[in-house]
Amino acid sequence: KQEVTQIPAALSVPEGENLVLNCSFTDSAIYNLQWFRQDPGKGLTSLLLIQSSQREQTSGRLNASLDKSSGRSTLYIAASQPGDSATYLCAVTDTNAGKSTFGDGTTLTVKP
Amino acid sequence: NAGVTQTPKFQVLKTGQSMTLQCAQDMNHNSMYWYRQDPGMGLRLIYYSASEGTTDKGEVPNGYNVSRLNKREFSLRLESAAPSQTSVYFCASKSFSGISYNEQFFGPGTRLTVL
Repeated sequence: KQEVTQIPAALSVPEGENLVLNCSFTDSAIYNLQWFRQDPGKGLTSLLLIQSSQREQTSGRLNASLDKSSGRSTLYIAASQPGDSATYLCAVTDTNAGKSTFGDGTTLTVKP
Repeated sequence: NAGVTQTPKFQVLKTGQSMTLQCAQDMNHNSMYWYRQDPGMGLRLIYYSASEGTTDKGEVPNGYNVSRLNKREFSLRLESAAPSQTSVYFCASKSFSGISYNEQFFGPGTRLTVL
C-alpha cells in the first residue's frame, strides 16, 4: 500500500525567505505526483503536476522536483510572501484508474 | 468554466437521517472521486468513478453509496448518517487527455456535521 509522508508538519518563516517542502512516498511505481495548496476552510487548488517521466515542473515562484528512485519530491518556494501561508499537500497517483494517495500536508506560515 | 461544483456547502444532520451530496464538473473529465478530510487523517478516498457507468470502492466506502448519473455528475449518498461521518467531503475530477492529463481538480467541499 502506498504511503505518503510530508515533513515537517508545520513551518514558519520570515517573508522573503526561500523554502523547501518535502514529500516522500514508499512505492516508486507512480504515474504522477501533484502538489496542492489548501487555504483554511477551502478546497484544494492544484499547483503543479509532475508526470512520472518528468524531473521537475515550474510555475512562477514555485518549482517542484521528482526523484522516483528515491521516492521523493520537493516543492521549492522562492521569495516567500505572507500570501503563501496555507497548507501544502502532495498526492501520488499510482494506478491506471487514477486513484491518489495524499500526504497529511505541511502548514506554512510566512511572517511579514 | 465553473470547474467542480458541490452542493450543499454546509449540512447538519441527526443520526439516522439520510442525504445526498451533489457534485458536477463542466470540464468533460472522465474520472470523478469522492474524498473525506478529517483532522489527523488526511484525505481519504471514499468512492471513485473511472468513467461514466462505472463506480468502485475506495479506502473508506462503508456507510456510503454513489451514483454516476452522467459524465458530468457524481453523487454521494449517506443512507443512515452516523456521528463518525462528520467530516469535510470533497469531490474531484480528472481528465486522461490533453494538457491537463491526469491532473486532479477539486470542488470547494461540503462541511457535514452529524449530531
